[in-house]
Amino acid sequence: DAGITQSPRYKITETGRQVTLMCHQTWSHSYMFWYRQDLGHGLRLIYYSAAADITDKGEVPDGYVVSRSKTENFPLTLESATRSQTSVYFCATHFGRADYEQYFGPGTRLTVT
Amino acid sequence: GQQVMQIPQYQHVQEGEDFTTYCNSSTTLSNIQWYKQRPGGHPVFLIQLVKSGEVKKQKRLTFQFGEAKKNSSLHITATQTTDVGTYFCAVTGGGNKLTFGTGTQLKVEL
Repeated sequence: DAGITQSPRYKITETGRQVTLMCHQTWSHSYMFWYRQDLGHGLRLIYYSAAADITDKGEVPDGYVVSRSKTENFPLTLESATRSQTSVYFCATHFGRADYEQYFGPGTRLTVT
Repeated sequence: GQQVMQIPQYQHVQEGEDFTTYCNSSTTLSNIQWYKQRPGGHPVFLIQLVKSGEVKKQKRLTFQFGEAKKNSSLHITATQTTDVGTYFCAVTGGGNKLTFGTGTQLKVEL
């Protein structure tokens, strides 16, 4: 079935480790987004991508790295995880215009100990 | 970037009571979207408002866009337990991206 998948769904890692969260979409939407969700902050944009090989920073990019070599994949890497990066991470896509609805993946719950 | 204030942060109602959440901006908005997130779930698109003074209804949900396009509201009539969740507004910013409000968490008691 078409849609967005994220993996892993749950992850526990230690401070200082590198961890990569995966996002895969089957629609070939041009735009993809990574958000983090924390209590009291709603959804904050980390990075986004307008197309393969085009990425840009969002509101809270520090400590994160993204790449997009293929249209359907948009991995998010925490190069050296910190406790403040404990959060729920959502990947999302839309058809190409901000006034189109965004489709969200199921999320990854990351805990950094 | 674009910012929106969303109130209240939490709302606890008895089943059958009405519920309203508000989004306010200091600048004129081109459009506003509303999303619902069930507990443990992901945000799901509900609706988009574009025109000044626009009112749209989805069953018991009524969405309004202010005349000045600086505020919006979501009203639920006669809440049910299925309405439980967090409701977010989101506004378009530059670069084809959205800025989300902080959300209103709705709890419904039987």
